[in-house]
Amino acid sequence: GAVVSQHPSRVICKSGTSVKIECRSLDFQATTMFWYRQFPKQSLMLMATSNEGSKATYEQGVEKDKFLINHASLTLSTLTVTSAHPEDSSFYICSVRLVTDTQYFGPGTRLTVL
Amino acid sequence: GENVEQHPSTLSVQEGDSAVIKCTYSDSASNYFPWYKQELGKGPQLIIDIRSNVGEKKDQRIAVTLNKTAKHFSLHITETQPEDSAVYFCAARRLLLGKGGSEKLVFGKGTKLTVNP
Repeated sequence: GAVVSQHPSRVICKSGTSVKIECRSLDFQATTMFWYRQFPKQSLMLMATSNEGSKATYEQGVEKDKFLINHASLTLSTLTVTSAHPEDSSFYICSVRLVTDTQYFGPGTRLTVL
Repeated sequence: GENVEQHPSTLSVQEGDSAVIKCTYSDSASNYFPWYKQELGKGPQLIIDIRSNVGEKKDQRIAVTLNKTAKHFSLHITETQPEDSAVYFCAARRLLLGKGGSEKLVFGKGTKLTVNP
C-alpha cells in the first residue's frame, strides 16, 4: 500500500494567493521528509529537506520565504506556496525517508496559478 | 559534488524483449542506489534499490546490478509488458559532510521507456 499521501492532488489558485500542500507518512515514522518540484519532462529538483521540530534546510536558489515548510510531527509536513505566481505552477512532490533509509514519494500535487 | 548520468534518455522495445537502463555516478562515497518508475501525472514509485555491499539484486522481472569499481549501476527489465511503459529514474545517495550528516538523493535525468505491443 501507499507509504506517502499528499493533499490536494490538484489545486488551481489565483495569482497572489497562498496554497498549502500536506504530506503525510502512512504507517511508519519518517526520519526525514523532502519536498521536490518537477517541471514537465524533467527530473526531480529538491527544494528542501525537513526534519520534525526543526527548520527546513533549503536548497540553493529556493526562496524560503516563498516556500514555507512546516514539519509539525513525525508523520506530517506541509509546504505553503505564498503569494503564488504563474511561474510557481508546477508538480510538487513530497518524499519520506524511513528508518531503513528507503525513500518513498507521494503521488504529487499539480499546482496551477492563474 | 555528486553527478548521476543516465542513458539512454528514450528507449523503445517490443513487448517481451528486455530493457536495460544504465547510470553512472561520480561520488565514490555513494552507498545507496534506488530506481523509480514514474507514470504520467503520478509521483515516482520505488521499484528496486541496491546498497553498495551488494552487487546484484533481483525482484521478479526486475534486476539491478552495481559495479562499484566502475561506478555504474543498471536496471534490467525482462519480458517487458506495455504497462512497463513509463519514465524511469536512477538515483544515488551521497553523504553530505559538514551538514550534520544529512544525505540527499541525486537523480539522473530519466529514461522514457516505451513498450510496444
